Amino acid sequence: GAVVSQHPSWVICKSGTSVKIECRSLDFQATTMFWYRQFPKQSLMLMATSNEGSKATYEQGVEKDKFLINHASLTLSTLTVTSAHPEDSSFYICSARDPWGGDKNIQYFGAGTRLSVL
Amino acid sequence: AQTVTQSQPEMSVQEAETVTLSCTYDTSESNYYLFWYKQPPSRQMILVIRQEAYKQQNATENRFSVNFQKAAKSFSLKISDSQLGDTAMYFCAFMKLGTNQFYFGTGTSLTVIP
Repeated sequence: GAVVSQHPSWVICKSGTSVKIECRSLDFQATTMFWYRQFPKQSLMLMATSNEGSKATYEQGVEKDKFLINHASLTLSTLTVTSAHPEDSSFYICSARDPWGGDKNIQYFGAGTRLSVL
Repeated sequence: AQTVTQSQPEMSVQEAETVTLSCTYDTSESNYYLFWYKQPPSRQMILVIRQEAYKQQNATENRFSVNFQKAAKSFSLKISDSQLGDTAMYFCAFMKLGTNQFYFGTGTSLTVIP
């Protein structure tokens, strides 16, 4: 099946700094990628939909200026957590679908990024 | 808005036995997909099984099968011959056809006991 790579897998940063998380589709092109946030022992909450070549669509309650999303190519979307604070500490997961693949309705997930803000 | 409910936060099953995980959902849509994803301790989300709402036949993937009751809006997952590697968090998910937007349930933590 299609593979989605997410980097880094774990990042620790100081409060007030910015952190960039990358999501790559390795063997397919993804016009749309999704970013989720998962708190410990909780479900995945959709943060935003990343569209290649256009602005991301954010879910209600998600700060656009806080979580910057860039989808500059068909294989890469980035999530930048700006001026991170301890409450931003969480597990961030991306996913992508293969619009030209055999099964367009399946989302393939990255392995996630654990963000710890000190 | 769509909601997905998993009423069993935790479950356990003896190795080689069968277990059923429950999922209900609420939607006014008629065309949609339902999924079960598995999240092991590695946190990597893995697709277990998928069901198209227009199909009456229940989906089956090896030891995994679903009981899809469209009228009741129920979508349970049955795991037969449970294996230690099945220990994971299981999420039920809903997707409206054509949107690619997933709505996840709160998850069921399954432990397979040797």
